[in-house]
Amino acid sequence: AQTVTQSQPEMSVQEAETVTLSCTYDTSESDYYLFWYKQPPSRQMILVIRQEAYKQQNATENRFSVNFQKAAKSFSLKISDSQLGDAAMYFCAYRSARRGFGNEKLTFGTGTRLTIIP
Amino acid sequence: DAGVTQSPTHLIKTRGQQVTLRCSPKSGHDTVSWYQQALGQGPQFIFQYYEEEERQRGNFPDRFSGHQFPNYSSELNVNALLLGDSALYLCASSLTALSGYTFGSGTRLTVV
Repeated sequence: AQTVTQSQPEMSVQEAETVTLSCTYDTSESDYYLFWYKQPPSRQMILVIRQEAYKQQNATENRFSVNFQKAAKSFSLKISDSQLGDAAMYFCAYRSARRGFGNEKLTFGTGTRLTIIP
Repeated sequence: DAGVTQSPTHLIKTRGQQVTLRCSPKSGHDTVSWYQQALGQGPQFIFQYYEEEERQRGNFPDRFSGHQFPNYSSELNVNALLLGDSALYLCASSLTALSGYTFGSGTRLTVV
């Protein structure tokens, strides 16, 4: 079974600075997807960024980028130029890329609460 | 384009009772998944429905059951509620296995 570990329960960063959230995972599969989701107080999970394991290039979405280290099974999220609206719980998640029923569930970590200091 | 809609937003039930939570998927999505998120934890997968059938299930007891209707909407039923069932229940919809997921804002269930 796959597991996802987020070892930082809480992080804080000054507004406009850069912060990195850590995530490690364990799997025996070679092809999979990794995600970072943001959950603000509104409770809705919002997709921040997605990485396909077969791609060596790290994904980027505006101020958000990842450092994907497949051999180390590490998937960290870097937020540049932090803004007050970035304050939320951030969850790392894993999903198998195998086709077929039974392979589509998301496995989440326990989350990191990010606080932005004005 | 409406996203995923869940109802109700909050619910308080007594231990031993039964509850039904509802989810309308994003327009065009045909697959619905349910997750339980206990306080301070990440979401845990309950089950997934496609073509009105349960096609994947997580490690949850049979007290948790579901249904998907022809219009792709879904219900989550929990029987014989326990205090430990208190959680945020999230619904996520998707189109096919390879597309992304859209989450609703969840139903906060409190069992007293």
